[in-house]
Amino acid sequence: GDSVTQMEGPVTLSEEAFLTINCTYTATGYPSLFWYVQYPGEGLQLLLKATKADDKGSNKGFEATYRKETTSFHLEKGSVQVSDSAVYFCALSAPSGGSYIPTFGRGTSLIVHP
Amino acid sequence: DTEVTQTPKHLVMGMTNKKSLKCEQHMGHRAMYWYKQKAKKPPELMFVYSYEKLSINESVPSRFSPECPNSSLLNLHLHALQPEDSALYLCASSQVQGTTEAFFGQGTRLTVV
Repeated sequence: GDSVTQMEGPVTLSEEAFLTINCTYTATGYPSLFWYVQYPGEGLQLLLKATKADDKGSNKGFEATYRKETTSFHLEKGSVQVSDSAVYFCALSAPSGGSYIPTFGRGTSLIVHP
Repeated sequence: DTEVTQTPKHLVMGMTNKKSLKCEQHMGHRAMYWYKQKAKKPPELMFVYSYEKLSINESVPSRFSPECPNSSLLNLHLHALQPEDSALYLCASSQVQGTTEAFFGQGTRLTVV
């Protein structure tokens, strides 16, 4: 079945450092790809998305490019802030029995120190 | 309005209690989901409703009973739960076709004592 593989965390960075969180996927069709963020004690918020190959999603300084040839959707940010500390989930959405079911990676915890 | 509203935010219940979790959205989405999330884990899919009909049940125990009374509301009825059912329960909604990103509520933190 469809699946998402994320790098294991936690990722610990100093403020203003460059962030990369790796994500690769396996899917039989042409899924849409997403990054969600979860702050402590809260639900998931959609951070960015890409719906076809070579699309770049971006939001709040984060970006990710849908790479079909490497089946990847790595999350990057040029300069992280303490407020970016959260758990980041890579996800795909592909058709299943008439519905599009979000499938999540394991999540990667990001800790940013001042 | 891109909100999915879940109530209550916190719930403590005994193993013999019956309680319900509620979820509401007004985005016109016709797909709605229940997920269970344990600490430091990704959300696990429980149920999917598509056009108010149950389309996916991920082998969830019968002590969890979903209900979709209309296109805006989704309930999860709880009965005779076990302590290991303590978790964050997340509701989400999306379009059935086309742009399929899911919008999540803030969740209900459930503790079974």
